Amino acid sequence: QQPVQSPQAVILREGEDAVINCSSSKALYSVHWYRQKHGEAPVFLMILLKGGEQKGHEKISASFNEKKQQSSLYLTASQLSYSGTYFCGTLNNAGNMLTFGGGTRLMVKP
Amino acid sequence: ETGVTQSPTHLIKTRGQQVTLRCSSQSGHNTVSWYQQALGQGPQFIFQYYREEENGRGNFPPRFSGLQFPNYSSELNVNALELDDSALYLCASTHPRYETQYFGPGTRLLVL
Repeated sequence: QQPVQSPQAVILREGEDAVINCSSSKALYSVHWYRQKHGEAPVFLMILLKGGEQKGHEKISASFNEKKQQSSLYLTASQLSYSGTYFCGTLNNAGNMLTFGGGTRLMVKP
Repeated sequence: ETGVTQSPTHLIKTRGQQVTLRCSSQSGHNTVSWYQQALGQGPQFIFQYYREEENGRGNFPPRFSGLQFPNYSSELNVNALELDDSALYLCASTHPRYETQYFGPGTRLLVL
């Protein structure tokens, strides 16, 4: 089942902060975050593993609440380059199927 | 640049035809996954190949098939094309030690 992302869209001014949420009805093994710009492929941002290990992007952080089956992506002091659609993906226990949410469209204005 | 390449970049086919899309993995990555992304939606998992064997499949009919070669490159074949097959097709390769999937630029398929 597809994870649910919120909000669906957000508009920011440069320098503002944003939080994107991802929740699942199934137990999460790991959560993967990607950003996709229009007409381009998704670009890996961050992976959050069960047990708390985190890898990722230098200017973007994320949290992973295993009990609540939720993950949140934190964008602080947003830049114009942050604009795009953000997807979370949840990996099944077998590690062979990444299921993506519907995406959050983020627009950063000057 | 992820090191994952796909060809062709764009393709136009008519309903009922067959199509083959190609993907070259990033060096050292032995797992390839294919996704279909319709406009305005997230990528949908089609299947994954590991060491030339199918290693998982999403909710796609058998007319979607694939191959992986000894050099870990891969093909996606779609038979009897339907209008709803129009989408961006993405392949992603996975590092053998980590779970991160790196996407190629995609092939945009239009079925008329």
